[in-house]
Amino acid sequence: DQQVKQNSPSLSVQEGRISILNCDYTNSMFDYFLWYKKYPAEGPTFLISISSIKDKNEDGRFTVFLNKSAKHLSLHIVPSQPGDSAVYFCAASSHSGGGADGLTFGKGTHLIIQP
Amino acid sequence: NAGVMQNPRHLVRRRGQEARLRCSPMKGHSHVYWYRQLPEEGLKFMVYLQKENIIDESGMPKERFSAEFPKEGPSILRIQQVVRGDSAAYFCASSPGGSAFFGQGTRLTVV
Repeated sequence: DQQVKQNSPSLSVQEGRISILNCDYTNSMFDYFLWYKKYPAEGPTFLISISSIKDKNEDGRFTVFLNKSAKHLSLHIVPSQPGDSAVYFCAASSHSGGGADGLTFGKGTHLIIQP
Repeated sequence: NAGVMQNPRHLVRRRGQEARLRCSPMKGHSHVYWYRQLPEEGLKFMVYLQKENIIDESGMPKERFSAEFPKEGPSILRIQQVVRGDSAAYFCASSPGGSAFFGQGTRLTVV
C-alpha cells in the first residue's frame, strides 16, 4: 500500500513556464513533507520542506503548498529552467523535524524542461 | 564539511557472495538511514540507525540483510549470499534530526 503517491511519472514543461508537481498521501500521521531532486547516478538532493502547521513555504523559485484536508501537496517551480530537468521525489515523515524518522517516498516524477 | 560519503560507488558481486556497503554520515549527524531504489521504483526505506543502535529496521528484508552503525567508523549495510534481485542503487542518508541529506549511492550489480 503506497502511502505517498506521485501519479505523474513524467511531466514536460517549456522553459520559463511554471512546473507543478503533485503528491498525495494517505497516512494522516504524516506531519512533515519534503521534496528531493535527483539527477541520474547521483543521490537525492534536498530541495524544500514544509511542516503541517503551515500551508505554504517558499524558497526562491520553489514553493511548496500543503492542503491537509485533501492530503495533497504540490511543488511549484517558476520560472522553470533547463537545469531543473530531473526526477523529483515527494517524501513524508511522521516526526515534524524535532526527531528523525525514516522517510516514506513517492515513486518520483521525471520533470523535463524543454527549451 | 564533507557531505554523506558512500563507497564504493559501484559494486559487482556474483550470486552467493557478500556485499558490504559503507556510509560515512555528515559531521555532527547522529542519524543514519539506508534506502534502496529498484529500477523504475522510488526509494524504499530499509533501516534507521543511531550510533550502536538500530532504531527501526521495518524495511529490511528478514534474511541476508543486516546493518550496523558502530561507535567508531562508518555505517555498514551487509548483504549476504546476494541474489540477482538485490541489484539496485543503495542510498545512505544522514540527519541531525529532521531533513535528511543523501550520499551519492552505491550501485550494486549481481551477476
